[in-house]
Amino acid sequence: GQQVQQSPASLVLQEGENAELQCNFSSTATQLQWFYQSPGGSLVSLLSNPSGTKHTGRLTSTTVTKERRSSLHISSSQTTDSGTYLCAIDISNTNKVVFGTGTRLQVLP
Amino acid sequence: NSKVIQTPRYLVKGQGQKAKMRCIPEKGHPVVFWYQQNKNNEFKFLINFQNQEVLQQIDMTEKRFSAECPSNSPCSLEIQSSEAGDSALYLCASSRGQDTQYFGPGTRLLVL
Repeated sequence: GQQVQQSPASLVLQEGENAELQCNFSSTATQLQWFYQSPGGSLVSLLSNPSGTKHTGRLTSTTVTKERRSSLHISSSQTTDSGTYLCAIDISNTNKVVFGTGTRLQVLP
Repeated sequence: NSKVIQTPRYLVKGQGQKAKMRCIPEKGHPVVFWYQQNKNNEFKFLINFQNQEVLQQIDMTEKRFSAECPSNSPCSLEIQSSEAGDSALYLCASSRGQDTQYFGPGTRLLVL
């Protein structure tokens, strides 16, 4: 089965609203990273957060390692936030990174 | 264990010099990714290929890097004119598709 599951699959917001994205994983992970993929396809890392809470700009990620879940909170969404958000985990001691199926976010003006 | 091979493991260049690194993907993996990993263990996607064709690349890659994945030869990534900010670990990963990526050990570039 899918090792990394993300929800919701898609999300539509009005500009200014907050977004909450979830990631659940079934394997032990040494690293968890959130990526943003633009509508044009480019993929960039947003932040890595194997455990605890981490902030950067309008993004907050909270990972509860024991429960194998992570969330990404986007506050005051902007139209430029539209795209696909991917959660990826680094399976312990394998150099293997497994990506989730993503959450497609659309922020309307 | 991953069978992605990257060479060299370490590379030291002066500013303005070219820096070239190579990657042999795992056998049977048509998709190859290059990432730049910073000190915070975050990795930035640079470019990916399916067989010999570029699928996606970021602006920086298009402007400053030369990359290719010829058939029957290693993939390569070359910075045309190295800058101090290019110092990082460059990771190559291969995949059968778009989900699980198997990473090589990386090439650590230091630009003096």
